[in-house]
Amino acid sequence: GAGVSQSPSNKVTEKGKDVELRCDPISGHTALYWYRQSLGQGLEFLIYFQGNSAPDKSGLPSDRFSAERTGGSVSTLTIQRTQQEDSAVYLCASSPTVTLNTEAFFGQGTRLTVV
Amino acid sequence: AQRVTQPEKLLSVFKGAPVELKCNYSYSGSPELFWYVQYSRQRLQLLLRHISRESIKGFTADLNKGETSFHLKKPFAQEEDSAMYYCALVRKGNQFYFGTGTSLTVIP
Repeated sequence: GAGVSQSPSNKVTEKGKDVELRCDPISGHTALYWYRQSLGQGLEFLIYFQGNSAPDKSGLPSDRFSAERTGGSVSTLTIQRTQQEDSAVYLCASSPTVTLNTEAFFGQGTRLTVV
Repeated sequence: AQRVTQPEKLLSVFKGAPVELKCNYSYSGSPELFWYVQYSRQRLQLLLRHISRESIKGFTADLNKGETSFHLKKPFAQEEDSAMYYCALVRKGNQFYFGTGTSLTVIP
């Protein structure tokens, strides 16, 4: 595809269940980011992958959150034992980091609702 | 450490009035700076970047290294400018750092 793709677009889950959110970055982009956007709030950094380097996990809010990036491409964000405060839009972005005119490209987001 | 600060969470201006969205950064080197915009029900997208020195949709932003600022300005706000605006910094070869965003409302 031409852009960053996220699935599902919407996810409603019961409190206590685990969820997986998927991100397909733009082909060839070495950097991948996950952010969270709560209602009426700005961007909250979660995690950053860069090539084969160890990811920057400094933004993950708790150990219930984890993310993987397989083969340097697709990424999955997993939230275990979901809580109501996890309800938010989860955004993924990718960028080609080594070019002069770099730019981060965002997906449309996954809206997670925990009931 | 890299940090981007947007001091205003909410900003309201009347249509036709000038608008300035503030962005300050802390970085010891020479960063690349950007403004991103998110219109209602649309994905976050690049508005402009400082190295291009361009004007997009009437918006401009000047990098002031002395004040470490990259404020976004438009002389005459339009209703369609209502959106969420994010200032961002990237060090070449490294990751993006986004501010917490400013929600702009242009009052008709």
